[in-house]
Parts: sequence; C-alpha cells; structure tokens
Amino acid sequence: AQSVAQPEDQVNVAEGNPLTVKCTYSVSGNPYLFWYVQYPNRGLQFLLKYITGDNLVKGSYGFEAEFNKSQTSFHLKKPSALVSDSALYFCAVRAPRGSQGNLIFGKGTKLSVKP
Amino acid sequence: DADVTQTPRNRITKTGKRIMLECSQTKGHDRMYWYRQDPGLGLRLIYYSFDVKDINKGEISDGYSVSRQAQAKFSLSLESAIPNQTALYFCATKQAPTDGYTFGSGTRLTVV
Repeated sequence: AQSVAQPEDQVNVAEGNPLTVKCTYSVSGNPYLFWYVQYPNRGLQFLLKYITGDNLVKGSYGFEAEFNKSQTSFHLKKPSALVSDSALYFCAVRAPRGSQGNLIFGKGTKLSVKP
Repeated sequence: DADVTQTPRNRITKTGKRIMLECSQTKGHDRMYWYRQDPGLGLRLIYYSFDVKDINKGEISDGYSVSRQAQAKFSLSLESAIPNQTALYFCATKQAPTDGYTFGSGTRLTVV
C-alpha cells in the first residue's frame, strides 16, 4: 500500500534561515510526489511536483524539493525563510499505476517562521 | 471568479439533517474529487469522478454520496449528518493523472 509520512508536526525557523520540511514515502514503483501549501482559511495551493527527471525540483515562491530514491524522501526546502511562508504544508504521493491518479496526503507540517 | 468554487463556505447543521455541498469549476477538467480535512489527519479522499458517468468511492465514503451533474459540477451529500462528520471539506480538480490538483477554498461544516 502506498503511504506518505511527515515526521514533524511543526517546524520553527527564524526569518532568513534555511528551512526544511521532511517527507518520506512508501510506494511500489517510481512515485509521483507533490507538495502543497495551505494558508489560514484557504484551500491548498500546489507548490511543486516530481514525476521524473532531475531529482531537484523547483517550484513556486522560491521553494524546491529533492527526490531521494534510496532514502524514499522528498524534503521541501527554501534557502531563506520569510515570515509569510508560515503555513501548513502537505506532502502527497501516488503510485504510477493502479491508483487512478489519486493522491495520498501526509498529515501536514505546520511551519512557523519568526521575525 | 475562482477556478474552483465551493458553496457554502461555512455551514452549521443538526444531527440527522441532509446537507449538500456544491462544487463547480471553470478549468474544464474531467477529474473531480472530494476530500475532507481533519486536524492531525491530513486530507482523506471521499469520492472521485473522471466524468459524469464515472463515480468512484474513496477511502472514507461511508455516510456520503455524490452527484456529477455536469463536467463542471460535482456535489457531495451527507444523507443524515452526524457530529463526527464535522470537518473541512475540499473539492479538487485536475485534468491529467500527473497534474497537481486545483483546490477550492473549502467548506467548513459543523454538525451539532
């Protein structure tokens, strides 16, 4: 069965410092991986995805993520955090076959960036 | 106008009542989804549809039903609402299997 784990409920970072939000996955075959962000009282917004190709994927708002097949991870990163990055972040995965394109979401990680 | 519109934005209803949540989209996407979000549980799939004649159950479909009235409209019904259906409900759309979802702004439902 496919699954995704976000091991940290909350990540605290000082503004200007680099940030990492962790995600690990379990899926048969090569995974499709996604990151979404949810600001308060808003729907989820797509940040980036990995389907195939370069392991380093760049997305919206200066975020990037690195696909690591040996560690089954897809951590979200940003070199310099902003207070406005404070939000809830979700990692999602789907298997390339058999899941009809449906995504399985992690439980979310709350990112808090302090001035 | 938003690409994916959900109505109502907030709703309080009583136990046992029937309630419908509506979703419409202007993206022209074939695939539409209903998820619920609970704190600490992430998003869980309720139902999904690939076209008006294709409806599929998701992970947590019990107590829910859906209707795909047109390509652009996908509604979720709670036949007899119960308090543990209190949650934030999201509609999402996409076109291709490798696409990311486009989400609506959500409906916050409270069952008392």
